[in-house]
Amino acid sequence: DAGITQSPRHKVTETGTPVTLRCHQTENHRYMYWYRQDPGHGLRLIHYSYGVKDTDKGEVSDGYSVSRSKTEDFLLTLESATSSQTSVYFCAINQGSNTIYFGEGSWLTVV
Amino acid sequence: QKEVEQDPGPLSVPEGAIVSLNCTYSNSAFQYFMWYRQYSRKGPELLMYTYSSGNKEDGRFTAQVDKSSKYISLFIRDSQPSDSATYLCAMNTGNQFYFGTGTSLTVIP
Repeated sequence: DAGITQSPRHKVTETGTPVTLRCHQTENHRYMYWYRQDPGHGLRLIHYSYGVKDTDKGEVSDGYSVSRSKTEDFLLTLESATSSQTSVYFCAINQGSNTIYFGEGSWLTVV
Repeated sequence: QKEVEQDPGPLSVPEGAIVSLNCTYSNSAFQYFMWYRQYSRKGPELLMYTYSSGNKEDGRFTAQVDKSSKYISLFIRDSQPSDSATYLCAMNTGNQFYFGTGTSLTVIP
């Protein structure tokens, strides 16, 4: 158990509304990541964080923003949700062993 | 060209078969090589990781890395229906991780 909790686990929202997904870790790991997973594309990095208030973009960051005001929480915000952002979102942490561990996922549907 | 290539399958085998899953990569700077198992509607779960070329064994699972060919494999011996899942290969340079798209495996009882 990597001590990662994602919320909400499932959400349906309307196009144009903002959505925030939360990732919470129970340990003080420095690196946290947000990925989305889609058929045919696999896991794609959206944003990652390497410390409080330290974040950087991944390969599919357009339309997403992140914040990390505390070590244990990493928030992903869809500023104005679109149907192309319907996906499953995974948070991950790097425990410093050159491997990463994933949360259980947040399923988002934008209608 | 993607940094990591993985045959998506699907792969279907009878129970007890030996399964071979493979990935190729292009970046010689990759350091660690990982295999994840993902059940339907679950997060990826780390199965094994290795650093150097050669084999690493854990129960019925063997991870193999050939850095000269930029090729990694995961072998599953005596496959079980509970092994039915999607298997993802991954590798890293420092704190950046790169994933294959996954191979879907079904083990038929």
